[in-house]
Amino acid sequence: GAVVSQHPSWVICKSGTSVKIECRSLDFQATTMFWYRQFPKQSLMLMATSNEGSKATYEQGVEKDKFLINHASLTLSTLTVTSAHPEDSSFYICSPYGAGGGEKLFFGSGTQLSVL
Amino acid sequence: GENVEQHPSTLSVQEGDSAVIKCTYSDSASNYFPWYKQELGKGPQLIIDIRSNVGEKKDQRIAVTLNKTAKHFSLHITETQPEDSAVYFCAASLSYGNKLVFGAGTILRVKS
Repeated sequence: GAVVSQHPSWVICKSGTSVKIECRSLDFQATTMFWYRQFPKQSLMLMATSNEGSKATYEQGVEKDKFLINHASLTLSTLTVTSAHPEDSSFYICSPYGAGGGEKLFFGSGTQLSVL
Repeated sequence: GENVEQHPSTLSVQEGDSAVIKCTYSDSASNYFPWYKQELGKGPQLIIDIRSNVGEKKDQRIAVTLNKTAKHFSLHITETQPEDSAVYFCAASLSYGNKLVFGAGTILRVKS
C-alpha cells in the first residue's frame, strides 16, 4: 500500500493553545486529502476534504475557523486545531488520495490529541 | 446521504474458526466497498476492497462478498489467528477518491 506519514503521533496541550498535525504522502502525489476524527470506541467521521491548492470543504457541524486545513503541496497537508479545548481531544487521521496511490484510500497512523 | 450499518458490534471466535462481519448500505449509487483493520492507537489498514461490478473477491484467508441488489456486503476471515484480533470497519463510497462513509466497527476477538 501507499506510504503515509503523519506527525506527531500524540500531543498533549493546554486549553487555548493551537496544535498542528502534518500528513505526508511519501510515494505518490495527493491531489486530495481527507481528514477524519475518531472519538474513543467510535467510528471514523469525516471532518473535511481538501484539494491541492484549493480551500477545504468541511462537513456539516465542523467549524472551519477552528480546524484550519492547508494543502499547499501534493505531498503535504496540515490540520491546525486552533484554540483547542478538552472537547477537541480525539484521534485525528489523514487519508491522502491520488491516482498514483492505486486509486485506493490509505490512512496515516493517526494523532492522539489530548487537551488539558 | 449514505448510511452504513455494521453487525455485529463484537465477535468472539476460537482460533481456527471463521469470522463473518456484515454491512448494509443505503445509497444504491455507492460502488466501492473497502474493509479496514484498526489496531489500538493506530490508523486503519486497508485489508481488502471490492467494486460493485464484482460479486466476490478473495485474498488468502480474507474474502469479501457483495450483493448489490440487497445492498449488503460481508467480510469473511477463515482460519482465524490471535493476530486477527482488532477492530474491523466496513465503508462505502461512490467511487475511488470519494469520501468514505464508515460502519460503526466490529471488535473481533480471537481466543487461543
